[in-house]
Amino acid sequence: GAVVSQHPSWVICKSGTSVKIECRSLDFQATTMFWYRQFPKQSLMLMATSNEGSKATYEQGVEKDKFLINHASLTLSTLTVTSAHPEDSSFYICSARDLLAGVEQFFGPGTRLTVL
Amino acid sequence: KNEVEQSPQNLTAQEGEFITINCSYSVGISALHWLQQHPGGGIVSLFMLSSGKKKHGRLIATINIQEKHSSLHITASHPRDSAVYICAANTGNQFYFGTGTSLTVIP
Repeated sequence: GAVVSQHPSWVICKSGTSVKIECRSLDFQATTMFWYRQFPKQSLMLMATSNEGSKATYEQGVEKDKFLINHASLTLSTLTVTSAHPEDSSFYICSARDLLAGVEQFFGPGTRLTVL
Repeated sequence: KNEVEQSPQNLTAQEGEFITINCSYSVGISALHWLQQHPGGGIVSLFMLSSGKKKHGRLIATINIQEKHSSLHITASHPRDSAVYICAANTGNQFYFGTGTSLTVIP
């Protein structure tokens, strides 16, 4: 099956710094990538949808200036958490939609962010 | 009311038991996904269903489109099956996630 990778798998940073998380589709072209956030004991929540070459669409309540998403190629999307604060500590997961596979999404393994 | 409801929320089983996790959804779907999330947080996509039944090894997923219900079955459960299992309804434009079922299989 299709593989999606994320890097890093975990990151610890100081409050006020910015953190970049990469999401890559390894063996397929992903026209659309999705970013999710999961707080402990809660379900996945969609943050934004990014289409290659265009601006991301953010869900209500997600600050686009704080969570910068770039989808510059068909195999790479990045999420940058700017000026991170402890409340941004969460598990961030991306998924990618294969152009040829229709509606199926393939999930990355996730990135655990801890902001001290 | 959530668009996707899972039951049970927590499940403890003895090794070897047959396990069933249920998922009901209220939205129109193009596909229903079952995901497995390991204690470290990593997610694995187990099944994508739009009708009928699928089987991978000891895992079986079924869906009843008319009743808007899906089940995930694990036969001969093993401690390594311990994880959170998440049901997700894919409308084609959006995913709706269940809150997950935390499964613990005791040796």
